[in-house]
Amino acid sequence: GAVVSQHPSWVICKSGTSVKIECRSLDFQATTMFWYRQFPKQSLMLMATSNEGSKATYEQGVEKDKFLINHASLTLSTLTVTSAHPEDSSFYICSARRGRGTETQYFGPGTRLLVL
Amino acid sequence: DAKTTQPPSMDCAEGRAANLPCNHSTISGNEYVYWYRQIHSQGPQYIIHGLKNNETNEMASLIITEDRKSSTLILPHATLRDTAVYYCIVGPASGGSYIPTFGRGTSLIVHP
Repeated sequence: GAVVSQHPSWVICKSGTSVKIECRSLDFQATTMFWYRQFPKQSLMLMATSNEGSKATYEQGVEKDKFLINHASLTLSTLTVTSAHPEDSSFYICSARRGRGTETQYFGPGTRLLVL
Repeated sequence: DAKTTQPPSMDCAEGRAANLPCNHSTISGNEYVYWYRQIHSQGPQYIIHGLKNNETNEMASLIITEDRKSSTLILPHATLRDTAVYYCIVGPASGGSYIPTFGRGTSLIVHP
């Protein structure tokens, strides 16, 4: 159990367009989901914490108006990169926490974004 | 800042045990040690976690020192597919407001 999916797995878009990434917990309800960004040869950088039914909490330096997060249900969170630019090209990874007295995170496979 | 320190890289021969150390000298009494790994171009994968007792599952064993200031992840019979970056992080068992922080991890290379 504890499977998390992401869609799409990779996307190429033109500068100025918006891209939506979906994160789903397939076999459990996730009260909290996390969104990370990872640049080549670097560690995961937490962007925001997404709680079901409430506004996301963004880490310092992450623009909330550029990276829109919606956590409308216990199994789905979405990250929208608005007006994407080449510097937004990265590997975006979500994770979900079961919320049953555990902090164990289950990660999605990641979405590779390339902005031309 | 990450609350753990790990060696940046290690290597291991296939079939041998891989022992990955982690220092967490500022760990508090209610914090667990969690291990994840990330194979190249994939999302991280949960491996194991523990509080103070040694833990074992189908993937690995976790040995935590008595003072809980350090731990070792053991892959008993490493295979080429275990080549990955291994992350050790600390966090509470639950609490709702925990913010996970990943450091640089240890890049483990398993060679034939």
